[in-house]
Amino acid sequence: NAGVTQTPKFQVLKTGQSMTLQCAQDMNHNSMYWYRQDPGMGLRLIYYSASEGTTDKGEVPNGYNVSRLNKREFSLRLESAAPSQTSVYFCASSEAWTGFYEQYFGPGTRLTVT
Amino acid sequence: GEDVEQSLFLSVREGDSSVINCTYTDSSSTYLYWYKQEPGAGLQLLTYIFSNMDMKQDQRLTVLLNKKDKHLSLRIADTQTGDSAIYFCAESIREDKIIFGKGTRLHILP
Repeated sequence: NAGVTQTPKFQVLKTGQSMTLQCAQDMNHNSMYWYRQDPGMGLRLIYYSASEGTTDKGEVPNGYNVSRLNKREFSLRLESAAPSQTSVYFCASSEAWTGFYEQYFGPGTRLTVT
Repeated sequence: GEDVEQSLFLSVREGDSSVINCTYTDSSSTYLYWYKQEPGAGLQLLTYIFSNMDMKQDQRLTVLLNKKDKHLSLRIADTQTGDSAIYFCAESIREDKIIFGKGTRLHILP
């Protein structure tokens, strides 16, 4: 089992460029998440998908779009990158039993926007 | 609103015990969690506690929960250099809402 995989690991973009961050999980989880992590800010939820075909906004969705391509894959798109989107992006997945939500995280994508 | 607060830094000598504290605001959480993030990696679940428990012990880890004060702590006995990481306290309010604290960076002194 690879768990949660993310590509790319590192990316540098110029302001205004677009890119898609890819995430896949092989644990057959229904729920998938995108977070960003900034120094001193902890983790902030960008978007969430409870199941294939559904997506919902999290705390900081502006400037991002997502696609739940199938049960395995959940991508995050930056249409027009801005320096404020420089961050580390984590994808996570989980399955819930009676309220216990262990999230499994990918290794992260380190994005710099210049 | 919902919030999880924890101090940002803790320095501990190797061999001593580390205690990381956390306060949360939502009393409806069923479980509370501690996640560990090693340098350059994602978060990984370290331990958790069910909300009707006061204490949970797992080898070197002890989790204490004070529901009245909404206070959670993680004690690491005999702290080792491999324990150097960022520790996140978290509570799950519902499936799409898991609130993480900002993380406590644990630094081990020789």
